[in-house]
Amino acid sequence: EVQVVESGGGLVQPGGSLRLSCSASEFTFSNFGMHWVRQAPGKGLEYVSGLSSSGGNTYYADSVKGRFTISRDNSKNTLYLQMSSLTAEDTAVYYCVKGGNPDIVGALPHWGQGTLVTVSS
Amino acid sequence: DIVMTQSPDSLVVSLGERATINCKSSQSVLYSPNNKNNLAWYQQKPGQPPKLLIYWASTRASGVPDRFSGSGSGTDFTLTISSLQAEDVAVYYCQQYYRTPLTFGGGTKVEIK
Repeated sequence: EVQVVESGGGLVQPGGSLRLSCSASEFTFSNFGMHWVRQAPGKGLEYVSGLSSSGGNTYYADSVKGRFTISRDNSKNTLYLQMSSLTAEDTAVYYCVKGGNPDIVGALPHWGQGTLVTVSS
Repeated sequence: DIVMTQSPDSLVVSLGERATINCKSSQSVLYSPNNKNNLAWYQQKPGQPPKLLIYWASTRASGVPDRFSGSGSGTDFTLTISSLQAEDVAVYYCQQYYRTPLTFGGGTKVEIK
C-alpha cells in the first residue's frame, strides 16, 4: 500500500524557518510528481507547491513564492519543503501528496496524515 | 487562476436520501485532446486527510462505493451521493487539474438530519 509520511512540523516563531520531510514507500517514487497541500485550522485546502518526478518542473503558490522551496531526493524516496520567513498565515496542517503521474498537473490520489506547523511567538 | 465555486456550503440530508453537491469552475476544464474533464472530488472526514473519490469528473477511484457518482462537463459539475450513509458525513471538495495552480473549491459539509 502506498505510504507517504510527513515529519518536521512544530512550533516556530514568526520570521523563522522549518523544513518538512515526506518519506515515501511502496511505490516507485521517482516516477511520480509530488505535492504539498496545506489546510489552516478550520479552513479549506490550499495547494502550496508541486514538483515533477524528475525535478524539472515546479510550481509555487503566490502566497509562498520566494519563501518556500520544494525539492526531492529520489535516491532516498523523500520530498522536502524548506520554509522560511514564516508568518502566522502559514499556520496549517501540511499534507504531502503523491500525484497520479510524473507531472505536477493531475488528481491527487494519495495523501499523508499531515504535519502541523504553528507559527507563533 | 481557475476559481472553483461549490454550492451549497453545507447540506443536511436524511439517511438513505440523495445528496447533491455542485461545483462550478471559472473556465472550462475540458481537455480537448482526450475529451476528458480535469476535475476531481475528495472526501475529508473529521481528523483525516482528504481522500480521492472521483477523477476525470466521473471515474470512481479504487474502492469508492457506487453510491458516489460524478457528472458534468466544461464548467459545471455535480457530486451525487445516491443514498446517504452515516459514514458519509464529511466535507467534500472539488479540484481542477486542468492547469497550475491546482485549485480547490471551498468545500461542502454534509451532515445527517
